[in-house]
Amino acid sequence: AQTVTQSQPEMSVQEAETVTLSCTYDTSENNYYLFWYKQPPSRQMILVIRQEAYKQQNATENRFSVNFQKAAKSFSLKISDSQLGDTAMYFCAIGQSTGANNLFFGTGTRLTVIP
Amino acid sequence: EAQVTQNPRYLITVTGKKLTVTCSQNMNHEYMSWYRQDPGLGLRQIYYSMNVEVTDKGDVPEGYKVSRKEKRNFPLILESPSPNQTSLYFCASSSPGTALYEQYFGPGTRLTVT
Repeated sequence: AQTVTQSQPEMSVQEAETVTLSCTYDTSENNYYLFWYKQPPSRQMILVIRQEAYKQQNATENRFSVNFQKAAKSFSLKISDSQLGDTAMYFCAIGQSTGANNLFFGTGTRLTVIP
Repeated sequence: EAQVTQNPRYLITVTGKKLTVTCSQNMNHEYMSWYRQDPGLGLRQIYYSMNVEVTDKGDVPEGYKVSRKEKRNFPLILESPSPNQTSLYFCASSSPGTALYEQYFGPGTRLTVT
């Protein structure tokens, strides 16, 4: 079984500042993938960033980066130079590389960027 | 354009009236899934399909049915909807060939059962 925990239901950040969203997970799989999805008010699920568990190097996508600590089973998301458009719900998810590639999601963190 | 479509986007219905939410993808993906999203619970998988005529239960399958007669379509059927099925529903598809098994999500269907 796989579980994902997001301990921060809500967060806020000033525009142009940096914010980190936390995520911890548990899995018995050796090969898995980690994802951060963004859900703006439109409700569309948008992939922000992904990480292969076997890679030690942290993934980055423009202003978004992760801090992947495999031993601690931690996968936090850092958003730099926060913009108003970053206001959204953010979900951490884990997927396995076998079977039907199902995703297990955390409960989400609602991020508000304050002008 | 590669996409997953869902219909309807919004639906209000009454308890016990059978309904179907359609899902279609144009990426020739083998895997398709249905999730429901509820406040404070995140997204939970209802059913998934690994290919045509191959379906299996996810974490919260009670009260739902699915079918996969064609590769592109994966409808979600509520035979006798109840108020506790009021939720936001997402269909998703993926393939072993996609980058890091990325799942592509549909736009969501907001269902209200009164």
